[in-house]
Amino acid sequence: NAGVTQTPKFRVLKTGQSMTLLCAQDMNHEYMYWYRQDPGMGLRLIHYSVGEGTTAKGEVPDGYNVSRLKKQNFLLGLESAAPSQTSVYFCASGRQGSEKLFFGSGTQLSVL
Amino acid sequence: AQSVTQLDSQVPVFEEAPVELRCNYSSSVSVYLFWYVQYPNQGLQLLLKYLSGSTLVKGINGFEAEFNKSQTSFHLRKPSVHISDTAEYFCAVSEGFGNEKLTFGTGTRLTIIP
Repeated sequence: NAGVTQTPKFRVLKTGQSMTLLCAQDMNHEYMYWYRQDPGMGLRLIHYSVGEGTTAKGEVPDGYNVSRLKKQNFLLGLESAAPSQTSVYFCASGRQGSEKLFFGSGTQLSVL
Repeated sequence: AQSVTQLDSQVPVFEEAPVELRCNYSSSVSVYLFWYVQYPNQGLQLLLKYLSGSTLVKGINGFEAEFNKSQTSFHLRKPSVHISDTAEYFCAVSEGFGNEKLTFGTGTRLTIIP
């Protein structure tokens, strides 16, 4: 039972570098989400997707881009990383019509 | 706009003692309410949810929560905690159907003392 898988689990970047976080789910869920978790701030929605080929902005989208070329994958990109993007990133997926989210185990990203 | 407040950032409790984790929300419309749990080095898992109906909601692992509309609260309770309950607990609120509308609280870290 893989569920929601995030890669990588840890990454250290220098300011200005780019990277892509991959989220894969094997539950055939329509909806996928990217959150960031910061101390004292809970989880904040970055971008989300309600289906293959569609994406939308969440609460804190600036500095991030996403793509959903396949239903099972949702990619989060940082084109030019900044120290303010140091955070733990969580991917989640959900079934249409259901309020239950399934989360991955997170990616710890540090930008120096 | 909706918001959610978790009043306690950390709660230490002795094993087998009862616990209550507090959550208050603010909204001008009807809401859906959730508690998620995050065990160390894992993603969040849904503990329980209130969508409508009975105000007392039972979840997994012996937890329950009560929706109180007049006090705009959704406190989480367990009558007897175990070491395995050590985790961070997040309250979340949504003003409509759709997970993109979820607003999470800042979390309460529950530490069980043997």
